[in-house]
Amino acid sequence: AQKVTQAQTEISVVEKEDVTLDCVYETRDTTYYLFWYKQPPSGELVFLIRRNSFDEQNEISGRYSWNFQKSTSSFNFTITASQVVDSAVYFCALSEAGANNLFFGTGTRLTVIP
Amino acid sequence: DSGVTQTPKHLITATGQRVTLRCSPRSGDLSVYWYQQSLDQGLQFLIQYYNGEERAKGNILERFSAQQFPDLHSELNLSSLELGDSALYFCASSVLAGGLNEQFFGPGTRLTVL
Repeated sequence: AQKVTQAQTEISVVEKEDVTLDCVYETRDTTYYLFWYKQPPSGELVFLIRRNSFDEQNEISGRYSWNFQKSTSSFNFTITASQVVDSAVYFCALSEAGANNLFFGTGTRLTVIP
Repeated sequence: DSGVTQTPKHLITATGQRVTLRCSPRSGDLSVYWYQQSLDQGLQFLIQYYNGEERAKGNILERFSAQQFPDLHSELNLSSLELGDSALYFCASSVLAGGLNEQFFGPGTRLTVL
């Protein structure tokens, strides 16, 4: 059975600080996909990234970067030079190859203080 | 804007009632998913349709049902409503079925059962 753990329930940082959101997953499948979604205060879920289990290359997109390590079953998300607009709940999710749905973690609420 | 639309945005109703939530997927997407987000259960997958046919079922109650129409829009029907059904209901869509596909979420319908 799959499981996604986001141990950090809430994080507060001061603007311009870097912050890392942790995600640890469990799956028995060898082929799976990992995702990050952002839920700002307005409530919608915004897709940020997808990574498949065969691609451990880290990815950077502007101030966002993701570190995927199969050895520790982790898919961590770092925001560099945080901004107030980054304040949101961030969800890590897992999808197994044979499944169709996303299995979400409980989310990490990030507050960036000006 | 993800391109997925959901109506209504807010719905307030009483226990025992029945409501219908509507979702229009992104243009070209064949797969529609329904998720429920509540404080105690987090984000949970309910059901998926692909090109008009049910493809996968999650933690969907028997009082809930869904369908996808020939024009690919989907409706989620919730009946015999209970206080615990109060939640944010999301629809998501993807081009195909399968775990590798990015799911794009609509803005959600916030259901309040009084």
